[in-house]
Amino acid sequence: NAGVTQTPKFQVLKTGQSMTLQCAQDMNHNSMYWYRQDPGMGLRLIYYSASEGTTDKGEVPNGYNVSRLNKREFSLRLESAAPSQTSVYFCASSERQGREKLFFGSGTQLSVL
Amino acid sequence: GENVEQHPSTLSVQEGDSAVIKCTYSDSASNYFPWYKQELGKRPQLIIDIRSNVGEKKDQRIAVTLNKTAKHFSLHITETQPEDSAVYFCAATPSGGSYIPTFGRGTSLIVHP
Repeated sequence: NAGVTQTPKFQVLKTGQSMTLQCAQDMNHNSMYWYRQDPGMGLRLIYYSASEGTTDKGEVPNGYNVSRLNKREFSLRLESAAPSQTSVYFCASSERQGREKLFFGSGTQLSVL
Repeated sequence: GENVEQHPSTLSVQEGDSAVIKCTYSDSASNYFPWYKQELGKRPQLIIDIRSNVGEKKDQRIAVTLNKTAKHFSLHITETQPEDSAVYFCAATPSGGSYIPTFGRGTSLIVHP
């Protein structure tokens, strides 16, 4: 039982490049989330998916897109990376939206030069 | 939307001392309050949570208290150990709408041996 698996762990991009962060969970959870973590800013929600087939914007969605591919997988795409998107990204899942504890992936450290 | 304030941002204690981290929230409809611990370079993990029908909850050396009238909740760690050194995040989850938790900005706890 791996929990929440995120790839890649590290990535360096040049401004304007695109990339997709992958996330998969094996706990049969309904809800999945993407957060970014910046020093002193806590965890800020980018997008979430309450259930398979639905996605919604969080607090900081600009510059990102998401896809809930199936119940297990939730990907985050940066279409044209900017230095302001340098951050640590965490995927998370929960059995039910918001009312149960979150299980986090191990994070992706992204640098945009 | 919900707003969560967390204090202090940094807390330095001697091993064996107690540590208290405080959070306030703005949405009186919030009813689920988890606390996450994030060790350096690791993912956040839930350490304790409390729901609005309970005033206090304990788990060995950690406890959480909730005052719904004042809209604040606190994490208490007794007999601190060096392995308690980490960043701690509080969160508040509304009982309606999106049910998405809002996180505080985090407290860096340093326990000196």
